[in-house]
Amino acid sequence: EPEVTQTPSHQVTQMGQEVILRCVPISNHLYFYWYRQILGQKVEFLVSFYNNEISEKSEIFDDQFSVERPDGSNFTLKIRSTKLEDSAMYFCASRLLGLAGAADTQYFGPGTRLTVL
Amino acid sequence: GESVGLHLPTLSVQEGDNSIINCAYSNSASDYFIWYKQESGKGPQFIIDIRSNMDKRQGQRVTVLLNKTVKHLSLQIAATQPGDSAVYFCAVNNAGNMLTFGGGTRLMVKP
Repeated sequence: EPEVTQTPSHQVTQMGQEVILRCVPISNHLYFYWYRQILGQKVEFLVSFYNNEISEKSEIFDDQFSVERPDGSNFTLKIRSTKLEDSAMYFCASRLLGLAGAADTQYFGPGTRLTVL
Repeated sequence: GESVGLHLPTLSVQEGDNSIINCAYSNSASDYFIWYKQESGKGPQFIIDIRSNMDKRQGQRVTVLLNKTVKHLSLQIAATQPGDSAVYFCAVNNAGNMLTFGGGTRLMVKP
């Protein structure tokens, strides 16, 4: 069964450093997402991406964050200058664009645990 | 915007019993609802979904009920097994197709 994959599984970085989290969405999916989950808290939406541009973004997704689809398979989240409060699990998700724009299921990857020291 | 609330952070059930996990949402225009299961250290795993034109949907051992009048959603797991132990999240699809997650209910199954 196709699945979303993410690398690395765990990333440790120093405050102020740049990190890039990588995702390979399900191959025929067209809509891509990043979410984050701070330990013990809800999963929170960060950004959605469709047709090579950001579709929606939350207040969390400030100028320190960017997303890119550098090739036909990868989808990346970059944090330019990490802060302590960026420590969280980051989940990538993808979905097949539904007919007439109808919502359909988002499938999640296993996550990258980001630890900022 | 949408807010999604949980009713019970922890639910403990005996193996073999039925489990019911509840969720409330705020936006009456929400039209698509999903239940996810999250095991420790893993990503949310899709269980079952329901659209607003339905009030009940069944899967294998799971049933989702939607009451749009009171903006309430529930997940029923029949004959709960130890492998069902996890955190269960309801998620509501909003305009732009982003999901708003509830706080999650930790289901613990006692042997």
